[in-house]
Amino acid sequence: QQQVKQSPQSLIVQKGGIPIINCAYENTAFDYFPWYQQFPGKGPALLIAIRPDVSEKKEGRFTISFNKSAKQFSLHIMDSQPGDSATYFCAASKQGGSEKLVFGKGTKLTVNP
Amino acid sequence: DAGITQSPRHKVTETGTPVTLRCHQTENHRYMYWYRQDPGHGLRLIHYSYGVKDTDKGEVSDGYSVSRSKTEDFLLTLESATSSQTSVYFCAISVGAGGRNEQFFGPGTRLTVL
Repeated sequence: QQQVKQSPQSLIVQKGGIPIINCAYENTAFDYFPWYQQFPGKGPALLIAIRPDVSEKKEGRFTISFNKSAKQFSLHIMDSQPGDSATYFCAASKQGGSEKLVFGKGTKLTVNP
Repeated sequence: DAGITQSPRHKVTETGTPVTLRCHQTENHRYMYWYRQDPGHGLRLIHYSYGVKDTDKGEVSDGYSVSRSKTEDFLLTLESATSSQTSVYFCAISVGAGGRNEQFFGPGTRLTVL
């Protein structure tokens, strides 16, 4: 049973576009939702994270939107650049769950020049 | 890289041989994790540790064992490697408390089982 569903699997945008990656979760006990960015040959790196007490969080060009009632959250990348081309993973965890993360399957983003 | 190293970085082995991967951290964090990454599956938790000699199973633990005799080292062992265990293996540590689970990943080990 997949606890975090991520879509799309791949995404191609032009430079300056706003790619949006969506995730949906099932477990209402989840209370921490991070996004990770991974470049080829590297380990995933924490990009931005949100708690369910806020509906939106921005860090630079990256924004998380959170909809608690729909059990969905999404990553928006403003003014996307070719250097943003990477695989993005959403994840979720719950307090007291040995800090374990459940990951989505990933979205490969390509930003064309 | 949050002071996380993995060794070896690449390994090719044959079916049926034992393999041990090492994860080393320099900052005495309590929680450590082993994941495998495969195309179409994302990151899947194999085993994790919440302290010295305290370990538990993750989502895909069959065929794997772990040990943690020191805070800084977390070992993943494939007792008898199979081709289905060909994958990229990542170690991670958890930094933070109170539900703010910021995990930091090592550089990965690419394992090929022939």
